[in-house]
Amino acid sequence: DAKTTQPNSMESNEEEPVHLPCNHSTISGTDYIHWYRQLPSQGPEYVIHGLTSNVNNRMASLAIAEDRKSSTLILHRATLRDAAVYYCIPTTSGTYKYIFGTGTRLKVLA
Amino acid sequence: NAGVTQTPKFRILKIGQSMTLQCAQDMNHNYMYWYRQDPGMGLKLIYYSVGAGITDKGEVPNGYNVSRSTTEDFPLRLELAAPSQTSVYFCASRQQPSLDEAFFGQGTRLTVV
Repeated sequence: DAKTTQPNSMESNEEEPVHLPCNHSTISGTDYIHWYRQLPSQGPEYVIHGLTSNVNNRMASLAIAEDRKSSTLILHRATLRDAAVYYCIPTTSGTYKYIFGTGTRLKVLA
Repeated sequence: NAGVTQTPKFRILKIGQSMTLQCAQDMNHNYMYWYRQDPGMGLKLIYYSVGAGITDKGEVPNGYNVSRSTTEDFPLRLELAAPSQTSVYFCASRQQPSLDEAFFGQGTRLTVV
């Protein structure tokens, strides 16, 4: 399974962009990169996923490095509701485990 | 569409008691997972299943058992509860292992005293 490294915590001001990094240097060529977030007292919820090129959806953007050893989740305008723990998960093709790392706790300041 | 439903939401067990945490999904997903989350920590995979009749161990399987007799249900059994099993338990399901998002239940908060 690919290993991930994320900062333990980050802070952002409300309505400013947030860049959440994830290092996954052991990822293989067919591993998708999934991002989830967990709001306080709730189960994780899906944010976005991608393979090689950058991806956008209504919640966020995902920028994947050309060598695929790292990725960055981008929240374009942080709101108080975005305060959560964000997890980066490489999903290895051919295995069925879904392993969460320790994640990054995002604090949004009003 | 209910998604992933976990019951009960809360439970207090005495040391040595047993219980089953229920998980049901109505999305016809093949893959189902059980996680535990200790206070202030990340999620740890307990067991997972790739379809009815097929289960496998995750990162922390000791003290737990699972079964998967139908596509919809994936119960988690705790035998001889211990204080170390005090945690929040999450069940999740997804259709495909790499491409699809996983859907999580709201969790079961278990306290063993």
